[in-house]
Amino acid sequence: KAGVTQTPRYLIKTRGQQVTLSCSPISGHRSVSWYQQTPGQGLQFLFEYFSETQRNKGNFPGRFSGRQFSNSRSEMNVSTLELGDSALYLCASSWPGQAPGLAGGWGTDTQYFGPGTRLTVL
Amino acid sequence: GDSVTQMEGPVTLSEEAFLTINCTYTATGYPSLFWYVQYPGEGLQLLLKATKADDKGSNKGFEATYRKETTSFHLEKGSVQVSDSAVYFCALSKGGTSYGKLTFGQGTILTVHP
Repeated sequence: KAGVTQTPRYLIKTRGQQVTLSCSPISGHRSVSWYQQTPGQGLQFLFEYFSETQRNKGNFPGRFSGRQFSNSRSEMNVSTLELGDSALYLCASSWPGQAPGLAGGWGTDTQYFGPGTRLTVL
Repeated sequence: GDSVTQMEGPVTLSEEAFLTINCTYTATGYPSLFWYVQYPGEGLQLLLKATKADDKGSNKGFEATYRKETTSFHLEKGSVQVSDSAVYFCALSKGGTSYGKLTFGQGTILTVHP
């Protein structure tokens, strides 16, 4: 089974521009999460989509947005780019969780990551 | 809020040495715990996971036990190889209203010398 794919792998933009990144999940996975990785802040959660609906969102400004299509592919968009948006953007897919368990594990499912898109803002 | 704390790095070891990377967490409820590894220029790969207290995750010689009483999930390997050189991330996930969100530690850089 093919893994999570992300396109493009590398991107260079200038301040003020906007950018769209794409993520194709593992076949059959319906949940897609996005993360930003920077040396200073580490790995931070951006948002999660399931069945074309955003279910969860991290603490990022409204310039960061996303969507999911009926085939579970997802895109994220960053408008009005700033220098601080330079980062590795990772997406991850998972099979949706079950009901909360009894002794632990609230139906969380393993996330499988793509190789990332390296965005450089000049 | 939820958080994960990993031991400060970098960690430098000789081949065949014993490895421990400490990880502790703060979270309400019953999180699932994960270790991911990142090689240079790549995304994250799942190394192992545990979903409830006293579970032991293991893979490729690495092990970690979910200790709820000490809120810890330390990563161990008995004999490291040069190929284990990478960045290791401890993470937790809770589901429910937090579904799809992994909370990561800051990462620990491991370098193994021949």
